[in-house]
Amino acid sequence: DQQVKQNSPSLSVQEGRISILNCDYTNSMFDYFLWYKKYPAEGPTFLISISSIKDKNEDGRFTVFLNKSAKHLSLHIVPSQPGDSAVYFCAAKIEGAQKLVFGQGTRLTINP
Amino acid sequence: KAGVTQTPRYLIKTRGQQVTLSCSPISGHRSVSWYQQTPGQGLQFLFEYFSETQRNKGNFPGRFSGRQFSNSRSEMNVSTLELGDSALYLCASSLVGTGWGEQYFGPGTRLTVT
Repeated sequence: DQQVKQNSPSLSVQEGRISILNCDYTNSMFDYFLWYKKYPAEGPTFLISISSIKDKNEDGRFTVFLNKSAKHLSLHIVPSQPGDSAVYFCAAKIEGAQKLVFGQGTRLTINP
Repeated sequence: KAGVTQTPRYLIKTRGQQVTLSCSPISGHRSVSWYQQTPGQGLQFLFEYFSETQRNKGNFPGRFSGRQFSNSRSEMNVSTLELGDSALYLCASSLVGTGWGEQYFGPGTRLTVT
C-alpha cells in the first residue's frame, strides 16, 4: 500500500527553466509534508516542508504547494541549476509520530 | 558540528548470517530513526528510538531489531539474513522528542547479502 506516490521516476529540464516535481498521497492523517534531495552515496538532505494547514511555502528558489482536496503536493524549482540534478523524495509525516513515509523518488536532470 | 555517522559504510554478508549496523547521531539529538532503501520499495521506515525506548515501528519482520544507548548512539540488528535484505540502511537523527523535528540523515550503510 503506497501511501505516498511519485509517479514520475525521472524528469529532464533545461537549465534556467522551472522544474516541477509532483507527489500524491492517500492518508488524511499526514500533518507535515517534506521534500528531500539525495545525491549518490549520500543520505537525503532536507529541502523544504509544509504543514497540512498551509497551501504554500517558499524558500529561495524552492516553493512547495499543497492541495489537500486533491491530496497532491508539488515542488517548484526556479530557476533550475545544474547542481539541482539529484533524486528528489517526497515524504509525509504521520500525525503524532516521528515517522516519515517516503515516495519512490524522482530523478531530476538539469541539462545545460 | 559533526553530522550523523554510520558504520560500516559497506558490508557483505551471506544468507543466514546476522549483522549489526551502528549510528551516531548529531550531538544533542536524542531521536534516532532507521530507514531501509531498496530500488523496488524506496525508502521505508524501520523504527525510531528516543531516550533508549522504541517509540515507533514500521512493518518489518522481527528479524529486524534495534536499540539505543544512553549516549543516543543506536544500533540495528538483522538476524538470519535473506537476499532481499540487501539495501541501503539509513539512520536519521532529530533534536526534538515530541512534535516534529527535522531529520538529518547519515550517508547510510550499503548491505549486500549473497
